[in-house]
Amino acid sequence: KQEVTQIPAALSVPEGENLVLNCSFTDSAIYNLQWFRQDPGKGLTSLLLIQSSQREQTSGRLNASLDKSSGRSTLYIAASQPGDSATYLCAVYSGGGADGLTFGKGTHLIIQP
Amino acid sequence: NAGVTQTPKFQVLKTGQSMTLQCAQDMNHEYMSWYRQDPGMGLRLIHYSVGAGITDQGEVPNGYNVSRSTTEDFPLRLLSAAPSQTSVYFCASKIGGELFFGEGSRLTVL
Repeated sequence: KQEVTQIPAALSVPEGENLVLNCSFTDSAIYNLQWFRQDPGKGLTSLLLIQSSQREQTSGRLNASLDKSSGRSTLYIAASQPGDSATYLCAVYSGGGADGLTFGKGTHLIIQP
Repeated sequence: NAGVTQTPKFQVLKTGQSMTLQCAQDMNHEYMSWYRQDPGMGLRLIHYSVGAGITDQGEVPNGYNVSRSTTEDFPLRLLSAAPSQTSVYFCASKIGGELFFGEGSRLTVL
């Protein structure tokens, strides 16, 4: 059974810092991995989708990498801003289970002004 | 494109009452699903559908019913609400492996 872990559960950094959020998974046979952002009281917004054949995806100040062999993905946020404060979740699609999707529990990020 | 639309955004029920959470998407996605999100538990799949007329159970289906008569709509029914069903409910659709979520419906059962 696929398991997805996100460490740390919470992170607080000063504005302007570059930071890395981690997502690890136990079964490397995945089809894709998706990073989401969730603001308080809101739904999940898709940030980046990495297919299993890709090593990384970039969108603005965000860069997500995927290393299937080690079961890891990282989300790099450059020059963090207070508006980046949110919970970041990763989801792995590996085809097992009911719909093949396994979510991490998220990293709660606070960017201090 | 409105994306995935959920109604209502907030609802308070008494134990034993029934209600339906509505979900509609205008992206013509075949796959739709319902999740509940609880503190410390993360997102858990309730039911999902791979197309009109096809539904299947997820991880926590008890107490919930779904139907999929059209590609656009995927309502979630609570037949007899229980306090354990107090949660935030999210509807999602998927295409090409990418998930799109609605804004959520916050349900409180007293």
